[in-house]
Amino acid sequence: GQQVMQIPQYQHVQEGEDFTTYCNSSTTLSNIQWYKQRPGGHPVFLIQLVKSGEVKKQKRLTFQFGEAKKNSSLHITATQTTDVGTYFCAEIFGNEKLTFGTGTRLTIIP
Amino acid sequence: EPEVTQTPSHQVTQMGQEVILRCVPISNHLYFYWYRQILGQKVEFLVSFYNNEISEKSEIFDDQFSVERPDGSNFTLKIRSTKLEDSAMYFCASSAPGVSIQYFGAGTRLSVL
Repeated sequence: GQQVMQIPQYQHVQEGEDFTTYCNSSTTLSNIQWYKQRPGGHPVFLIQLVKSGEVKKQKRLTFQFGEAKKNSSLHITATQTTDVGTYFCAEIFGNEKLTFGTGTRLTIIP
Repeated sequence: EPEVTQTPSHQVTQMGQEVILRCVPISNHLYFYWYRQILGQKVEFLVSFYNNEISEKSEIFDDQFSVERPDGSNFTLKIRSTKLEDSAMYFCASSAPGVSIQYFGAGTRLSVL
């Protein structure tokens, strides 16, 4: 079946440093969503990317969708302690299931 | 802000027992989902539900699992005879027609002993 892999699995950064997680699919993605899950929490929707090469920004977060629609990235500039959590990419078709990536767990060293 | 609510927050059960996990989706949403997350792992799709029937289910969702919308507000997941490997966090989610954003509840942690 389709696999959506993320790297790295874990990332520890000093507060203020940048962070990037990469999402890679074995097949062409129709679209990509990003979710954040705080420790002990539930997934919370961040953004959806649909178009090839699309770039979207939310404050310190920058999301990219690859030209071939097989990969995506999330970049956080100048991390803060509130950024702690696991970041998942996920593919969705319409109102159907989300296929989550393996996730990247971000920890911040104050 | 509307939210998906799940009860109980933690369920402890003996192997072989039946459990029912409950969810109240956001009121104007018509699509409902169950996902599970084994500790430290990714979120896995179990089942989607629309118009009072299952629209898709995963390989995990075998005959031991069932879902029901018994009234206009609740959406339940039943596991008939729990196994040790059913221990996980179970998330309910819902979405509105034509909107691909899914809103997740806080989850029910199921511990099978």
